[in-house]
Amino acid sequence: SAVISQKPSRDICQRGTSLTIQCQVDSQVTMMFWYRQQPGQSLTLIATANQGSEATYESGFVIDKFPISRPNLTFSTLTVSNMSPEDSSIYLCSVGQGSNTGELFFGEGSRLTVL
Amino acid sequence: GDSVTQMEGPVTLSEEAFLTINCTYTATGYPSLFWYVQYPGEGLQLLLKATKADDKGSNKGFEATYRKETTSFHLEKGSVQVSDSAVYFCALRTDSWGKFQFGAGTQVVVTP
Repeated sequence: SAVISQKPSRDICQRGTSLTIQCQVDSQVTMMFWYRQQPGQSLTLIATANQGSEATYESGFVIDKFPISRPNLTFSTLTVSNMSPEDSSIYLCSVGQGSNTGELFFGEGSRLTVL
Repeated sequence: GDSVTQMEGPVTLSEEAFLTINCTYTATGYPSLFWYVQYPGEGLQLLLKATKADDKGSNKGFEATYRKETTSFHLEKGSVQVSDSAVYFCALRTDSWGKFQFGAGTQVVVTP
């Protein structure tokens, strides 16, 4: 299993500002995934972060709004840029188990409220 | 594309009642199937999984069987406790890189 730490765990932000969420994993992993969970909703994949290359974004998400860094095999950041109240969500970092049938492990999430 | 459909909540039950949460999926190939649980204020935790047809995943008294013929993975527990109150997500793994598709989630409320 993997232990994933996210910071901050929660924050209240002002409209128009940006916030960077950090994700630290206790082991080296190839792929890291960033999800968004809007209030009362399911999880939506934002992007896949592969070390040494640009992140791959899902439909509806763009790099200018959600820039991602992946400087090494245990760390990633997600920035939520120019925030609006619609960005109020829980943002979850996750990593997959090595096998192709393995599960995802999640951090505890970063709950952002944008005023 | 791949998708997961699960029953809407909230589901409200009395303690010791039987719980079923329906989950069906659409996928190409033979995905692995998962149930995750999210307790209030916490992140998602894996509850159980099944990787091939007819596999049964089980954990903490919960069970789910991978039914290829009905493309289903229903979650069951014979006697729920108040501590089982949470949101349950059905999910499937869509590729070897680890991309997942999640259902909408079902909130379960167990009353004493």
